[in-house]
Amino acid sequence: GAVVSQHPSWVICKSGTSVKIECRSLDFQATTMFWYRQFPKQSLMLMATSNEGSKATYEQGVEKDKFLINHASLTLSTLTVTSAHPEDSSFYICSAPRIVGTGELFFGEGSRLTVL
Amino acid sequence: GENVEQHPSTLSVQEGDSAVIKCTYSDSASNYFPWYKQELGKGPQLIIDIRSNVGEKKDQRIAVTLNKTAKHFSLHITETQPEDSAVYFCAASKELTGGGNKLTFGTGTQLKVEL
Repeated sequence: GAVVSQHPSWVICKSGTSVKIECRSLDFQATTMFWYRQFPKQSLMLMATSNEGSKATYEQGVEKDKFLINHASLTLSTLTVTSAHPEDSSFYICSAPRIVGTGELFFGEGSRLTVL
Repeated sequence: GENVEQHPSTLSVQEGDSAVIKCTYSDSASNYFPWYKQELGKGPQLIIDIRSNVGEKKDQRIAVTLNKTAKHFSLHITETQPEDSAVYFCAASKELTGGGNKLTFGTGTQLKVEL
């Protein structure tokens, strides 16, 4: 079964509104989680690293004020897309390592965001 | 930073044939190389991985080979079945080096297994 769960799996919103996506580790604690964005027929691009109890680390070119990340507990990270616009429409995927420090990541099922 | 190239971008094979997908990486410090299968509308699923201390790993119909000197690694699927049809991604990272488990993905290969 899934070890990383995302919610919602899809969401449609109006331009200018904010959308929150949750990522949960189900049977392990994750001090670090990763958020990726994937456009149609493209690869996964790392947006940011979510760190429990501290600020997220954003990749170059990713607006931290637009993509707010909160790692509130050892099993939950949230990504909030603020003032969403049509160009933010994408597939957002989170992941977490079951064992800290290893590269073996488990991915969530993804969240499809469509901004009208 | 790390750069991972993947070929081919699309691959069509007949059921029962073998499929090979190749990746190259740029950072010689990378030491962990996973392969993911992604079905339409779903998140990537780890299918096999290899670490730099071995040259080959096999799991039933799936195998991965690694050539550290040439900095390339390949995925081999034998006796392909229609359910193998999906997008496959290779990736590379520097494990246990304080690099934060960051995965750099290849561009993906759309595999189609035809009946």
